[in-house]
Amino acid sequence: QSVLTQPPSVSGAPGQRVTISCTGSSSNIGAGYDVHWYQQLPGTAPKLLMYGNSNRPSGVPDRFSGSKSGTSASLAITGLQPEDEADYYCQSYDSSLSGRVVFGGGTKLTVL
Amino acid sequence: EVQLVESGGGLVQPGGSLRLSCAASGFTVSSKYMTWVRQAPGKGLEWVSVIYPGGSTYYADSVKGRFTISRDNSKNTLYLQMNSLRADDTAVYYCARSPSSYHDTSGYYPVAFDIWGQGTMVTVSS
Repeated sequence: QSVLTQPPSVSGAPGQRVTISCTGSSSNIGAGYDVHWYQQLPGTAPKLLMYGNSNRPSGVPDRFSGSKSGTSASLAITGLQPEDEADYYCQSYDSSLSGRVVFGGGTKLTVL
Repeated sequence: EVQLVESGGGLVQPGGSLRLSCAASGFTVSSKYMTWVRQAPGKGLEWVSVIYPGGSTYYADSVKGRFTISRDNSKNTLYLQMNSLRADDTAVYYCARSPSSYHDTSGYYPVAFDIWGQGTMVTVSS
């Protein structure tokens, strides 16, 4: 089990809005640590999608947005497009772990 | 161009060893927080190890005592020496860069991983 909990899958039709949650605890997200999000297209390496809870790297469409509250974080995708079909991972830090880096279990986004 | 290229993966028997390499270009490995992340077939991402610019190293409990992260500044290359390999070490291994760090009362830790390599597959099987 991952320290950070994500739904295994979400789906939506083109043009719709979907959200992916990332739930932690008081030793990670709830402790104030930032949350980052990565997108992994099929057969490729992960790519940084969102950093510092809600900041998009250059080149990431503004259809993607992030937020954090309490012990959870969320990634929202509006105007869903077929090329958004991918696995999405949240990442944060946990004060109880050596090295502190932790990933969520990942969420498979299917565009119907 | 900033990029990372892994190599060294392959098939190894249980109990064997393997050394992965991650060659960097466009930046200096020794000045960044460099990490290894692995992904077992069909599974999610698992953080493995990190080396700080100052040389401090940290490991996931699952690999502590068996894996060693290091770097060669002259070759601008990151390494992961893997010993006593087990079947559950089978995975694609990615190296990744973190450009800077956070800092709190417990010390420093890397910000988001902004550059990733393409990955190298390690299969542990007899």
